[in-house]
Amino acid sequence: DAGVIQSPRHEVTEMGQEVTLRCKPISGHDYLFWYRQTMMRGLELLIYFNNNVPIDDSGMPEDRFSAKMPNASFSTLKIQPSEPRDSAVYFCASSDGVLYNEQFFGPGTRLTVL
Amino acid sequence: SQQGEEDPQALSIQEGENATMNCSYKTSINNLQWYRQNSGRGLVHLILIRSNEREKHSGRLRVTLDTSKKSSSLLITASRAADTASYFCATSSNYQLIWGAGTKLIIKP
Repeated sequence: DAGVIQSPRHEVTEMGQEVTLRCKPISGHDYLFWYRQTMMRGLELLIYFNNNVPIDDSGMPEDRFSAKMPNASFSTLKIQPSEPRDSAVYFCASSDGVLYNEQFFGPGTRLTVL
Repeated sequence: SQQGEEDPQALSIQEGENATMNCSYKTSINNLQWYRQNSGRGLVHLILIRSNEREKHSGRLRVTLDTSKKSSSLLITASRAADTASYFCATSSNYQLIWGAGTKLIIKP
């Protein structure tokens, strides 16, 4: 298996633009997590899905952020409109079985909002 | 939110020495996991210790868990330059995963 795949790896955009980050989890994994990492705030869990259903989105910072998982092999995290404070590295991770099993992380998307 | 706390925040040691970092948490847990993050990369799972376990080994890694003190330690023996990374603990309880802020470990040649 290729592991968790994220795209793009780098994204530079201007304030106010829509940003869409994509994730393909490991095949067979039924949990998918979106994280944001910054120097100031560290690693933050934004949302996680179980069997394509959003379970806990309490970490989503505001309504400008939305996440979907239309099927077991694809998820998106959208920011609309983007702001400079959204600049961060966004990670997707997946795991199988139960919530607290080992998570496999993707390489991350480094987002810069100018 | 991040309720786990690692200490120290940063640690610099000579190659060959042992490195110890600690993680404290606030609530009862199902398990505790340690992850490593190399600069610019995603996190990689190192080891998982369950709440009913006290110690676990994996290669040069040794993890202990003291549920009475709500703390865990990660020991890396005979450190190598490749161990330079940030190390995070994550605790699971009540269907939540709580991540610490990480310890940045630098191994000097």
